[in-house]
Amino acid sequence: DAKTTQPTSMDCAEGRAANLPCNHSTISGNEYVYWYRQIHSQGPQYIIHGLKNNETNEMASLIITEDRKSSTLILPHATLRDTAVYYCIVRALTNAGGTSYGKLTFGQGTILTVHP
Amino acid sequence: DAGVTQSPTHLIKTRGQQVTLRCSPISGHKSVSWYQQVLGQGPQFIFQYYEKEERGRGNFPDRFSARQFPNYSSELNVNALLLGDSALYLCASSPRGAGGAGITEAFFGQGTRLTVV
Repeated sequence: DAKTTQPTSMDCAEGRAANLPCNHSTISGNEYVYWYRQIHSQGPQYIIHGLKNNETNEMASLIITEDRKSSTLILPHATLRDTAVYYCIVRALTNAGGTSYGKLTFGQGTILTVHP
Repeated sequence: DAGVTQSPTHLIKTRGQQVTLRCSPISGHKSVSWYQQVLGQGPQFIFQYYEKEERGRGNFPDRFSARQFPNYSSELNVNALLLGDSALYLCASSPRGAGGAGITEAFFGQGTRLTVV
C-alpha cells in the first residue's frame, strides 16, 4: 500500500471548516483514499473514502486532486467533538488471496484540535 | 444495530501468561481484522479473516494467533506475553463490496486494553 504524509497537528476554530491535507504521491491506479479518525481511547471511526472523484457524505467531503497525488478532508463546520487524530490511508481493494486484502496501514495521522 | 463488540474491555496479565481476546462483528459482516495500537502510535495490522480463512497477516511473531468461527466471531490469542504486548487491541469488521468487489470500509470496536505487568 502507498505511503501517506500528513501534518502532525492542526488547529481549527469551532464552527469553521477544517481542511486536513494528505500527500500520497506514490498512489497506484487501483488504490483508494480512506479517512478515519480516532477520538481519545476509542476505536477508529470510518469517515469517507474515494478513488478519483470528489466524495461527500454526512460527515465530511473528500477532495482528490486530478493527478491523485494528494487529497483534502474537509469538515465543513468543525465542533469540539471533532477533536481527534485523523488518519489518511491508501489501499487497494484486492480480491481474496492478496495480503493487502482488507488491510489498513495507519501512519501517525494528524492531531486536529478544535478550540472554542 | 449493534456495532462491533469486543471483550473484555480491560485486562491485566503477567509476563509469560496467555490471553484470549474476543470480537463479534456487525451482523452480516464476514470479515474480521485485528490491530494492535501501542500508546502514541497508529494501529498496526495483525490478522484478517474472511469466511473463516486467514487472508492476511502482519509482521507479528508466532505468539500471536487468531481464528474465526462459523458465526464470524473471532478470537485473538497471544502466548508468552511480554511487557511490549501492552496495547489497545482493536477488532474491525467489514462487509464485502457490491458486485463481489473487495472489502470496503472497516468498522472498529472500542478495543481491549491489555496491560502486561
